[in-house]
Amino acid sequence: EPEVTQTPSHQVTQMGQEVILRCVPISNHLYFYWYRQILGQKVEFLVSFYNNEISEKSEIFDDQFSVERPDGSNFTLKIRSTKLEDSAMYFCASSDPLNTGELFFGEGSRLTVL
Amino acid sequence: AQTVTQSQPEMSVQEAETVTLSCTYDTSESNYYLFWYKQPPSRQMILVIRQEAYKQQNATENRFSVNFQKAAKSFSLKISDSQLGDTAMYFCAFMKQGRDDKIIFGKGTRLHILP
Repeated sequence: EPEVTQTPSHQVTQMGQEVILRCVPISNHLYFYWYRQILGQKVEFLVSFYNNEISEKSEIFDDQFSVERPDGSNFTLKIRSTKLEDSAMYFCASSDPLNTGELFFGEGSRLTVL
Repeated sequence: AQTVTQSQPEMSVQEAETVTLSCTYDTSESNYYLFWYKQPPSRQMILVIRQEAYKQQNATENRFSVNFQKAAKSFSLKISDSQLGDTAMYFCAFMKQGRDDKIIFGKGTRLHILP
C-alpha cells in the first residue's frame, strides 16, 4: 500500500543550524502539507503546497521556513536557523487529486534543537 | 477562523466497552468536512472516519460511528466493542470544502483501552 515516507525520523541539531526535513508523498497525489506537533500540544498547520507553489501558510511559517519540491518526488521543509521552540514532531502529508479531505501522513520527523 | 475543540484530554475504558469522544467546532462555512484521525503510539495519523457537512446521515465505519449535529456544531465519535488496538490519540479535524484547503485539528483525546 502506498505511503508517505519521511526522513530523518529523528534529528538533533544546535540552535542556529539549518535543518532539512524530507518527505516522499504518495506518487499520484497533488497536494502536500507540513504540520508540526510540539510535545503534548495539538497538531498545527504550517504550509500547503500545490502546483509547485505555496497555497497557504500559517503565521508559524515565517521567513525561517521554506518548502521545495526539487525533483518531482521529494517535498522538503527547510528551517534556516533553528530556534529552541522549533523542537517538535514535523509531519508531512499528501492528498489525492480530488482532495476530498483524506490526508495521508508520514510517521513524522522529530526535531530536537539544543 | 475555524476552531476545533476536544474537551476530553484523556479517557480510559475497558476492552469491549463503548466509548464516545466529544468534539465541537466553530465555523461560518456551510460546506465542509469533518474527520476523526487516529494516531497510535509512535505511528502516523490515519483517517478513521469522514463526514460531509451536507449529509444528514451519520457516517459509520465498522465499529466507528459519528453523531453529527450540524446546528449544534458537534461531532462526536463512538467506538463500539473497543479493542486494545484502539489505544491511540484521536484528533477531531475540520476542513473547508475547497480545492486546497487545509485541515485544522483539535488538541486530541488520548484514549486508553484497558485489558
